[in-house]
Order: sequence, then C-alpha cells, then structure tokens
Amino acid sequence: GQQVMQIPQYQHVQEGEDFTTYCNSSTTLSNIQWYKQRPGGHPVFLIQLVKSGEVKKQKRLTFQFGEAKKNSSLHITATQTTDVGTYFCAGRQGGSEKLVFGKGTKLTVNP
Amino acid sequence: DTAVSQTPKYLVTQMGNDKSIKCEQNLGHDTMYWYKQDSKKFLKIMFSYNNKELIINETVPNRFSPKSPDKAHLNLHINSLELGDSAVYFCASTPERGVINEKLFFGSGTQLSVL
Repeated sequence: GQQVMQIPQYQHVQEGEDFTTYCNSSTTLSNIQWYKQRPGGHPVFLIQLVKSGEVKKQKRLTFQFGEAKKNSSLHITATQTTDVGTYFCAGRQGGSEKLVFGKGTKLTVNP
Repeated sequence: DTAVSQTPKYLVTQMGNDKSIKCEQNLGHDTMYWYKQDSKKFLKIMFSYNNKELIINETVPNRFSPKSPDKAHLNLHINSLELGDSAVYFCASTPERGVINEKLFFGSGTQLSVL
C-alpha cells in the first residue's frame, strides 16, 4: 500500500537545541504537507511544498522538499517548549486521490 | 465560530452498541473527510466526500457508514461497535481537492472508547 515513512518516531531535546524530522516516499510525491498536533489537540496545517527542491521558512521552522520530490524535512532551530507536539508529514503519491500521512514524530522539549 | 466542529468530544460505550458522530464545517468547503487516529497516533483516512458524493472509501468495515446530508455536514455512524474501534476520530475539510490547495482543517476530534 501507499506509505510515507517518517523518522524518527520520537525525539527528546533540551530547550535551545535543534530538531529535524524526515519523510521519505518510495514514489514521487505531487506535494508534501506538514502538520503539527499538540498533546490532546488536533492536527494543524503548517505548510505545503509543491516544487522540486523547494525551501520555505516560518520563523524558526525550515521546510524542504527534495529534488526528486521523494523526501522532505522539517527543521526547527533553537527549540522552545511551545514546539512540543507531534509533527506529521502528508503527501500525495503519483496520481492518487489520497493524502497519505507519515506516522509522525513526537517532539518533547526539556526546559 | 469554530470552523470544523464535531460532536460529541468523548464517547464511551459498550461493545455491540451503535453510535454516531456528527461533523459540521462553516468554511464553505466542498470536501470533507473522516480520519481515524489510533493509540499510536497513526492518522489514517477512512472516507472522503466531495459535495455530498463519496470519493474515497478506504478498506473500512461496512459497520462504518458515512452520511453527508449536505456539503457542510458529514456524519459517521458505527454499528456493532468493537473494542478495536476505540480511537480518536477526526473530521476534516478542505477548500479544494487536488495538489495545489488541499489544506486540511481538522475538527477537535471525538475520543471513542469501547468497553
């Protein structure tokens, strides 16, 4: 079945450290989206990347889409306690109707 | 003024019962979804409706029946509940299907516990 692999599953950092989560697909993705889910909350859309090699920034967050459109990353610089939550990537593979979610990376930040 | 609202927020029930979850969006979106999130936080699509028409039906047991009376509402009825149905169910909507603008707006979730 269609899969978008996401690693790591868990990441624990000290406040101020950087954090990166990675998504990989075996097939080309039409797009990649990133969502953040706070503990007890619902997923909230962060960003979408569509173009090969695209890089977008939101304050301390940097999102990249690989040249081959098969992988993506989310990097957070100098994490803060407000960054805690689970980060999901989601991509559309080939001509699929479905947006497939990665299994998420749960980030905890030690103050 | 919640954009995507679903009720109830919590649902505790016995095995074998039938229950419904309701979802409404006031964003004017044409497409709505049901997602299931299990205890490991895996988010899996169940159904998608576009303007009341079913467009995605994943391999979900036929005990689950979605109903869309109009494009602003997508309800989920579950018959003969089983222990494995325990999860958080999220409703979502999007302004457009397709690659360019399929940004999902999620409801706050319904935590279903089957005892």
